[in-house]
Amino acid sequence: NAGVTQTPKFQVLKTGQSMTLQCAQDMNHNSMYWYRQDPGMGLRLIYYSASEGTTDKGEVPNGYNVSRLNKREFSLRLESAAPSQTSVYFCASRPQGAGNTIYFGEGSWLTVV
Amino acid sequence: DAKTTQPTSMDCAEGRAANLPCNHSTISGNEYVYWYRQIHSQGPQYIIHGLKNNETNEMASLIITEDRKSSTLILPHATLRDTAVYYCNRWASGTYKYIFGTGTRLKVLA
Repeated sequence: NAGVTQTPKFQVLKTGQSMTLQCAQDMNHNSMYWYRQDPGMGLRLIYYSASEGTTDKGEVPNGYNVSRLNKREFSLRLESAAPSQTSVYFCASRPQGAGNTIYFGEGSWLTVV
Repeated sequence: DAKTTQPTSMDCAEGRAANLPCNHSTISGNEYVYWYRQIHSQGPQYIIHGLKNNETNEMASLIITEDRKSSTLILPHATLRDTAVYYCNRWASGTYKYIFGTGTRLKVLA
């Protein structure tokens, strides 16, 4: 049982390059989330998708776009990467009607030089 | 956005109970208290949650004050593997926008 799977796990980008972080969950969860965590800091919500076909901004959406491709997949795109976007990115998902318990992936380490 | 206040860091001796406090003085009636922890740089892991009553599971106990303005997470017999950042969050039933608190960095000492 894979749970929440993120790819890639590590990536180095040059300033101005674009890339997409992929997230897939195999638990049939309705809601999905993207967080970032800067070194030594807490988690900040970037975007979330309450259900398939919907997306909403979180605390720090600037510089990112998301796509809820289907129920399983929720991607995060950086159109023009900046050094300030160097961070660990976590994807998470939540089942319908299960309170507020969310399940996290293992993270994607992104460095922008 | 909902806020909680936690100490930045705490130490605990191995084998002793770790008591992690959380202040949520403006909590609303429909908001639950949720605790998560993050070991090293892994994805956070759910520990326990509660509304009014004290709760216990295989990982921890959650004590919520009668006025619900604060709570304490108790790890009854801390081990070195409990060293982690512990997040106390207040989330309403039916919400989707999960904002995390700043967390307490717990260090369990041998």
